[in-house]
Amino acid sequence: EPEVTQTPSHQVTQMGQEVILRCVPISNHLYFYWYRQILGQKVEFLVSFYNNEISEKSEIFDDQFSVERPDGSNFTLKIRSTKLEDSAMYFCASSQDSWTEAFFGQGTRLTVV
Amino acid sequence: AQTVTQSQPEMSVQEAETVTLSCTYDTSENNYYLFWYKQPPSRQMILVIRQEAYKQQNATENRFSVNFQKAAKSFSLKISDSQLGDTAMYFCAFMKQRSGNTPLVFGKGTRLSVIA
Repeated sequence: EPEVTQTPSHQVTQMGQEVILRCVPISNHLYFYWYRQILGQKVEFLVSFYNNEISEKSEIFDDQFSVERPDGSNFTLKIRSTKLEDSAMYFCASSQDSWTEAFFGQGTRLTVV
Repeated sequence: AQTVTQSQPEMSVQEAETVTLSCTYDTSENNYYLFWYKQPPSRQMILVIRQEAYKQQNATENRFSVNFQKAAKSFSLKISDSQLGDTAMYFCAFMKQRSGNTPLVFGKGTRLSVIA
């Protein structure tokens, strides 16, 4: 069964450093998303991406964040200068159509120290 | 803005018994979708069941079924014949029906423990 793949599974970084979280969505999916889950809290939407551009972003997705689809398969989330409060589980998701359910990756646990 | 409320932070159920998880939501939209996602200790988000708001019939997937009450804006999940592998966080989620990317809005989750 096709699945969304995220790497790395766990990333530890020093405050102020840049991190790139990587995702390979399901191959025939056209809509891509990043969500964040701070430990013990609910899953929050960060950004959606379609046709090589951002469709929608939340207030969490400030200038420190950026997304890119550098080739036909990868979808990346970059945090330019990490803060302690960026520590969270980051989930990538993709969907085939705008009205179908999103399939989630297994997540990347980001720890900022 | 849409909100999703799960009023039960934690629940437990004996193996083979039935449990119902509650979810209410607030929206002015008429067309939308509702989902239940399961998050086991591995932390991956797994889709359990989906309901289209325009369908009156409640969705079912094997041991999982929903009670969708559109007028009351209620969307509960019933798990029958609970199994130890059902132990997980369960998130209720809302999605507007519209063209283009449509983000999910999640509730805070209910931690379900299935006890042997």
